[in-house]
Amino acid sequence: SQTIHQWPATLVQPVGSPLSLECTVEGTSNPNLYWYRQAAGRGLQLLFYSIGIGQISSEVPQNLSASRPQDRQFILSSKKLLLSDSGFYLCAWSAAGNNSPLHFGNGTRLTVT
Amino acid sequence: GQQLNQSPQSMFIQEGEDVSMNCTSSSIFNTWLWYKQEPGEGPVLLIALYKAGELTSNGRLTAQFGITRKDSFLNISASIPSDVGIYFCAGQPPPRGGTSYGKLTFGQGTILTVHP
Repeated sequence: SQTIHQWPATLVQPVGSPLSLECTVEGTSNPNLYWYRQAAGRGLQLLFYSIGIGQISSEVPQNLSASRPQDRQFILSSKKLLLSDSGFYLCAWSAAGNNSPLHFGNGTRLTVT
Repeated sequence: GQQLNQSPQSMFIQEGEDVSMNCTSSSIFNTWLWYKQEPGEGPVLLIALYKAGELTSNGRLTAQFGITRKDSFLNISASIPSDVGIYFCAGQPPPRGGTSYGKLTFGQGTILTVHP
C-alpha cells in the first residue's frame, strides 16, 4: 500500500534562517506531488505541485520554493524565512491522472520566531 | 478562480444526532471529495465522488455528487464523540489543456463538535 512520510513534525526557526521540509511517498510510481499551507483557521492553500521529476508549478508568489529531485521525493525550501511563513505545511500525493484523490501526510507545524 | 462555499462553518451537536454539511460552487467539478482533519494531523479522505448524481456511503457517512456538478453534501448519522474534527469538501475541476494533475479547490471547512 502507499504511504506518505513528512518530516519534521514540528519546527521552530528564527526569522531569516533557511528552511527545508521533506516529503517522500512509498508504494507508487510517478505520483503527482503537492505542497499545501494551512493557516490558523482552516483553509488549505496550494503552494506547489509537481507532475514529474524536476517539474514544479507554483500557485502563488511567495518566499518559498519547491524541488523534486527524485520521483517520490518533494522538498519545500526557503533561503530566508519570514514571520508570515509560519503555518501548517502539508504534503500530498495523488496517482497520475486528473480524477485521483489526494492523500495527505501528517503535516509540519512551522513557527517562525 | 474557482471557489467553494462550505456550510455551516461550525456545528455543535449532541451525541446521537445526525449531521449535514454541504458545499456549493459557481463552476462545475469532475470530482468531489470529502476529508476529515483531526488536530495536528493531515486531512484523511472519507469519500470520493466521480459522477453527477452519485450517492456513496462509508459506514455512517453518506455523500452525494450534485446533479448540476456544482454542489455536494455530506451526512453523518448517529454522531459519536470521535466524529469531532474539521470536515473539508474539495473539488477537482475539468482538466485544462490536456494537463493531467489533480489540483483541488478546498472549502473552508466545517468544525464539528460532538457533546457526549
